[in-house]
Amino acid sequence: NAGVTQTPKFRVLKTGQSMTLLCAQDMNHEYMYWYRQDPGMGLRLIHYSVGEGTTAKGEVPDGYNVSRLKKQNFLLGLESAAPSQTSVYFCASRSGSGGNTDTQYFGPGTRLTVL
Amino acid sequence: AQSVAQPEDQVNVAEGNPLTVKCTYSVSGNPYLFWYVQYPNRGLQFLLKYITGDNLVKGSYGFEAEFNKSQTSFHLKKPSALVSDSALYFCAVRDRRTGGFKTIFGAGTRLFVKA
Repeated sequence: NAGVTQTPKFRVLKTGQSMTLLCAQDMNHEYMYWYRQDPGMGLRLIHYSVGEGTTAKGEVPDGYNVSRLKKQNFLLGLESAAPSQTSVYFCASRSGSGGNTDTQYFGPGTRLTVL
Repeated sequence: AQSVAQPEDQVNVAEGNPLTVKCTYSVSGNPYLFWYVQYPNRGLQFLLKYITGDNLVKGSYGFEAEFNKSQTSFHLKKPSALVSDSALYFCAVRDRRTGGFKTIFGAGTRLFVKA
């Protein structure tokens, strides 16, 4: 049971380049999330999904797109990277059962630098 | 607007002394409350949560948290700190109501335990 995995672990982009971050979970969870972590700002929600084929905007969605074509995968795309998107990105998942009491499981993070 | 406040950026404590990491929240209704810990270069790990019942919740690694409804607080505590407890701690809240998909995180408090 690998839990939540993220690919890649590190990436450096130039302004205007695009990339996709992959999150995979093997716990059959319904809900998946993408966060960014910046110093002094905690975790901010970018996008989330409550099931296969569904996505929704979070707190800071601009400049990002997501897709959830398969239940176990949640992809985060940057179409045209900007220096303001330099951050550490975390994926998380939770089962969606238990009336909102269930725990979130986090991946190890992707450190992205945009030059 | 819903929010979570962790008023201290950093808490310093000597090994063996008790520690407290503070958290207050402003959320309508009675939310579910969580604490997570983040070690360097790792994702967040679940410590404990308050769902209902006893105001004192016990969690992993000897941590506990006290829910105070009148003060809307959920402070994290440990009777005797260890150097290995040094990490970044996040308080989080989630709506109880149906459709409470999102979890709101505080900005985090860095705990330093000195030997």
